[in-house]
Amino acid sequence: NAGVTQTPKFQVLKTGQSMTLQCAQDMNHEYMSWYRQDPGMGLRLIHYSVGAGITDQGEVPNGYNVSRSTTEDFPLRLLSAAPSQTSVYFCASSSPDKLPSYGYTFGSGTRLTVV
Amino acid sequence: GQQLNQSPQSMFIQEGEDVSMNCTSSSIFNTWLWYKQDPGEGPVLLIALYKAGELTSNGRLTAQFGITRKDSFLNISASIPSDVGIYFCAGRVNAGNMLTFGGGTRLMVKP
Repeated sequence: NAGVTQTPKFQVLKTGQSMTLQCAQDMNHEYMSWYRQDPGMGLRLIHYSVGAGITDQGEVPNGYNVSRSTTEDFPLRLLSAAPSQTSVYFCASSSPDKLPSYGYTFGSGTRLTVV
Repeated sequence: GQQLNQSPQSMFIQEGEDVSMNCTSSSIFNTWLWYKQDPGEGPVLLIALYKAGELTSNGRLTAQFGITRKDSFLNISASIPSDVGIYFCAGRVNAGNMLTFGGGTRLMVKP
């Protein structure tokens, strides 16, 4: 049981480049979310999804797009990378019906540097 | 949006000591979660709380859902070196599935 898998683990981008951070879960969780974590700070919600075909914005959505075509996958797209997007990105999934309810399982993160 | 104030921001304690940390908010939460994050890893769920007043243990860890539903507490008894890490509280409001995270408590344990 792999849980939540994020790829790549590390990435360096040049300003203006675009890329997609991949996230996949094998727990059949309905809910998936993307967070960013900056040094010395907590996690801030970027986008989230309550099921396939449904996404919504979180606290810091600007500069990011998401889609949820399947239950398993929830990719995060950076449209035009900026240095302010240098951060560690975490994908997480949970279910209201599987214990622990709403207890999000996190991936190991993608460390992104924009130069 | 909701904000969670977590304190203390950091603690440096002696091995064997007990640890207490808390999370407060001006908003009511329906679920409280406590996570631990090791360096270079994602947060790992420690304890989940669903009812006001609920007290739940996980080994040496005990967490409580505050009566007012605006706070939560985590205690670690008899700390050991592997307790080192960052502890985060997270809350879920009644009508949603999103989590709001506190700023974290960095715990350092001196052997």
